[in-house]
Amino acid sequence: QVQLVQSGAEVKKPGASVKVSCKASGYTFTSYGISWVRQAPGQGLEWMGWISAYNGNTNYAQKLQGRVTMTTDTSTSTAYMELRSLRSDDTAVYYCARVVGEDYYYMDVWGKGTTVTVSS
Amino acid sequence: DIQMTQSPSTLSASVGDRVTITCRASQSISSWLAWYQQKPGKAPKLLIYKASSLESGVPSRFSGSGSGTEFTLTISSLQPDDFATYYCQQYNSLWTFGQGTKVEIK
Repeated sequence: QVQLVQSGAEVKKPGASVKVSCKASGYTFTSYGISWVRQAPGQGLEWMGWISAYNGNTNYAQKLQGRVTMTTDTSTSTAYMELRSLRSDDTAVYYCARVVGEDYYYMDVWGKGTTVTVSS
Repeated sequence: DIQMTQSPSTLSASVGDRVTITCRASQSISSWLAWYQQKPGKAPKLLIYKASSLESGVPSRFSGSGSGTEFTLTISSLQPDDFATYYCQQYNSLWTFGQGTKVEIK
């Protein structure tokens, strides 16, 4: 079955960077994209960006431009999201999700989430 | 950017009730809308895509309708497992979520 397994919880200090991984299984990794979505405590869902696992093309949310980088390693079917210059308001659960569709693309399978806590 | 607005923010209902959640887009998104269910501490789960297509394995009491800028998610007979938060999401232009609707026990 299709699965996305994310890396474990992280605690970081303000100004540091974090890199979260998302390992895919049960499907051909390069056939679909991966989106990253975060959720601050008690808040709603915020789309962060998308990466094509086929060619590495990316599209990032404007508010995160310059601080976020999404990459993939097709040899291990793993997607990565790195967020730099962390602030306290980056404290959130970070999800990866597979992006599927024909002309327009939605998220069908999600990882369980990775908690990132930013605290001095 | 396309903004998505859900109403209500919170909904109190009883088991067996018919429940409707509304989602409005700030501009036309055709039928490129999905609905997700999220329970506390869990990842979102896809319920509906393309406004009205039921995801495989999702109970038929869930249905979606609408196009353009107005959409609804309906639960025909609320079950105990349905108490959760529901999000709409447009995917016409990048991706944007609504702020969520919490369905709680009356």
